Amino acid sequence: NAGVTQTPKFQVLKTGQSMTLQCAQDMNHEYMSWYRQDPGMGLRLIHYSVGAGITDQGEVPNGYNVSRSTTEDFPLRLLSAAPSQTSVYFCASSPSGTESYEQYFGPGTRLTVT
Amino acid sequence: AQSVSQHNHHVILSEAASLELGCNYSYGGTVNLFWYVQYPGQHLQLLLKYFSGDPLVKGIKGFEAEFIKSKFSFNLRKPSVQWSDTAEYFCAVKNGGGNKLTFGTGTQLKVEL
Repeated sequence: NAGVTQTPKFQVLKTGQSMTLQCAQDMNHEYMSWYRQDPGMGLRLIHYSVGAGITDQGEVPNGYNVSRSTTEDFPLRLLSAAPSQTSVYFCASSPSGTESYEQYFGPGTRLTVT
Repeated sequence: AQSVSQHNHHVILSEAASLELGCNYSYGGTVNLFWYVQYPGQHLQLLLKYFSGDPLVKGIKGFEAEFIKSKFSFNLRKPSVQWSDTAEYFCAVKNGGGNKLTFGTGTQLKVEL
């Protein structure tokens, strides 16, 4: 299994541009999440999904959209990039069920908005 | 709202020193607790987790953590650190359904030879 994969690894955008960060998992996990990591602030939840067709907002959703058309994919869209969105973005997935809530993280996308 | 506090932001230790990183959370109900590690340039990996049962949890690479419900704490320990333990460590809490984790701000650990 490849686990959780993210593309691209690095991206530079100009203010106002849009782009989509890709995330895919091959573990048949129902739950998927997007976090951003900023120095001194840890990881903050942007959006999450509990299954195909179901998404919800996390702690910092403004400026981001998500969709979940398949179990495997959970893209994150930046509609109009702003310098405040400069960050490292991590996608994570986890299985459903009552026992295992361990989240498996992707390698991250480092985004710079100028 | 749920919050997680990691009071040690930067820790520098010599090899073979003992490590304890603090983690406190705010939620008073049933929680699931995690410690994740992020080695330089890598993604987050699970060190250990607590769901129920024995409050002393053992993880990978010799790490352990103790859940003390009365203190809302889940401190990470290792008796003797190695240079390869240099990394950032995150405490995380899950309460309720779903898979939403609340992370602490992280602790940067540097182990010197």
